[in-house]
Amino acid sequence: SQQGEEDPQALSIQEGENATMNCSYKTSINNLQWYRQNSGRGLVHLILIRSNEREKHSGRLRVTLDTSKKSSSLLITASRAADTASYFCATEDQGGKLIFGQGTELSVKP
Amino acid sequence: DVKVTQSSRYLVKRTGEKVFLECVQDMDHENMFWYRQDPGLGLRLIYFSYDVKMKEKGDIPEGYSVSREKKERFSLILESASTNQTSMYLCASSQPLGTDPEAFFGQGTRLTVV
Repeated sequence: SQQGEEDPQALSIQEGENATMNCSYKTSINNLQWYRQNSGRGLVHLILIRSNEREKHSGRLRVTLDTSKKSSSLLITASRAADTASYFCATEDQGGKLIFGQGTELSVKP
Repeated sequence: DVKVTQSSRYLVKRTGEKVFLECVQDMDHENMFWYRQDPGLGLRLIYFSYDVKMKEKGDIPEGYSVSREKKERFSLILESASTNQTSMYLCASSQPLGTDPEAFFGQGTRLTVV
């Protein structure tokens, strides 16, 4: 399987705390993307980082990429109850195929 | 707004039936994908299409086939449905490499095979 791995599988934090999720992948990539999924819904794109970038910010999101370790992390700062969702990383290979990790289930308690 | 529409939200089929899941996108995207999502396993790629009539197998193509006769439509076919194909099926579309490659997803089809 080409599927990457995410950890932790589940994360429970209090509102206002930061949440960090990690993603490892197996093949060379063109870019890495993070998506969010609310329960029972389709996925929504959050942020993309290209293989020649090391860090990217978007609002309360910060993504890092280490291609030598084939890993990425997503940091959500000052979390809110509304951030409760599943978060997935996805890698796009040279052929355009998009492969997802297994996801991290984030629960933010008010 | 980009829209990816899956034909059914919920579907119940009998074992052995031929099942068609339809997906339509309205953004002229080159790439389209079919995934299945199961608890603890994340999204697994079934098939990928990068152009009309072009397709590539994903990680779990067994028991499935696809059809892409028009750019906007990508169909997933379960030739003979089995209970282990009970799952959430997600369709997505995206632009090719080098442009804006974020994927847009449909709302999902929850298929139950009895």
